[in-house]
Amino acid sequence: DIQMTQSPSSLSASVGDRLTITCRASQSISSYLNWYQQKPGKAPKLLIYAASSLQSGVPSRFSGSGSGTDFTLTISSLQPEDFATYYCQQSYTTPRTFGQGTNVDIK
Amino acid sequence: EVQLVESGGGLVQPGGSLRLSCAASGFTFSSYWMHWVRQAPGKGLVWVSRIHSNGSSTTYADSVKGRFTISRDNGKNTLYLQMNSLRAEDTAVYYCVRESQDSSSWLRAFDIWGQGTMVTVSS
Repeated sequence: DIQMTQSPSSLSASVGDRLTITCRASQSISSYLNWYQQKPGKAPKLLIYAASSLQSGVPSRFSGSGSGTDFTLTISSLQPEDFATYYCQQSYTTPRTFGQGTNVDIK
Repeated sequence: EVQLVESGGGLVQPGGSLRLSCAASGFTFSSYWMHWVRQAPGKGLVWVSRIHSNGSSTTYADSVKGRFTISRDNGKNTLYLQMNSLRAEDTAVYYCVRESQDSSSWLRAFDIWGQGTMVTVSS
């Protein structure tokens, strides 16, 4: 199975901050990398697919980059509604493994 | 409106069985691979199982192989997860998920999620 490792596991940030979360795959996954946002008690929501494509309806402050084994999710200016847990996921092969999550809370 | 609605969760004793259902609406259900993903309380997302759009192929996580069975009824727009020999470690919220794909790009993503149904395995 492909292992996905996110860093950091948690972070504290302020509204307006620029935020970067990284995700590393245990082997090359080309651009088959997705990012999800999950708020407490809610189902995850797709933010970014194919490493850098913004899902319809997602604000443009979210962006993704990378290919192969190293990927990043960037939030250009953190908004109050962005405090949540973020997961990366590889869709190169089955099982569709997720990273362990990055919890973003208010500083 | 495109949506997935799970049902069938609840409290079950270790060794027991439960069948989850997921009703799809607002899209052509028979065109999509479907998955189950679970999340134990306070933990991360874990992929459980997948079924091909026509039901011809299924795949399972090692942790549930031989105990869980995924199936679908495209005539009823419904996905199922039959869970047998349940263990305490199966306690989780179970999400029904649609996977969108595009063979001309790198699109393979879980774009529609149900609200989840809680399964608790305890005596």
